[in-house]
Amino acid sequence: TQLLEQSPQFLSIQEGENLTVYCNSSSVFSSLQWYRQEPGEGPVLLVTVVTGGEVKKLKRLTFQFGDARKDSSLHITAAQPGDTGLYLCAGGRGAQKLVFGQGTRLTINP
Amino acid sequence: DAMVIQNPRYQVTQFGKPVTLSCSQTLNHNVMYWYQQKSSQAPKLLFHYYDKDFNNEADTPDNFQSRRPNTSFCFLDIRSPGLGDAAMYLCATSSSQLSGGYTFGSGTRLTVV
Repeated sequence: TQLLEQSPQFLSIQEGENLTVYCNSSSVFSSLQWYRQEPGEGPVLLVTVVTGGEVKKLKRLTFQFGDARKDSSLHITAAQPGDTGLYLCAGGRGAQKLVFGQGTRLTINP
Repeated sequence: DAMVIQNPRYQVTQFGKPVTLSCSQTLNHNVMYWYQQKSSQAPKLLFHYYDKDFNNEADTPDNFQSRRPNTSFCFLDIRSPGLGDAAMYLCATSSSQLSGGYTFGSGTRLTVV
């Protein structure tokens, strides 16, 4: 059972365009994290959100945690080729374990 | 810099030949995890250690074992690798509260021939 569903699974857009990636669940999470993974490397933490409705910005990236803490979104403004990678959302449910979504593979074409 | 280091980066092993992957950390995190990631898929948790307490996932095959001799090191042993075990193996660490997220190593790409 996939507790976290990411959409879209694949996205290819032109440099300069905006995009949004979604992470949805029927479960409530105490925290939600977004990671970016480049080929041949481990995932790197981008942000953690813990409060329902919370919005965090990281340069051109905007992360939002849903009010009910069941979903999240990642919005990228003016995408650049350096944004290319696999974006993973992960939800924390107490204890020490994160549940990962299946990822969104993003390609930004010059 | 504090980090998580996995060795080797690439490992080729023969079908059925035992192999050990290693992970070390300088973060002094008390939780260490091993994940298996196959191409274009989400990382799949195999097991984790909370300090010395070992926690196995219900669907982790018996073929996979782990050791954590001290806070800094954790090993993944694959007793009899099959072709289906070819994957990227990721080690990660966290503090017990998870608020700082996971810190991942760069992974070990395992090929089984």
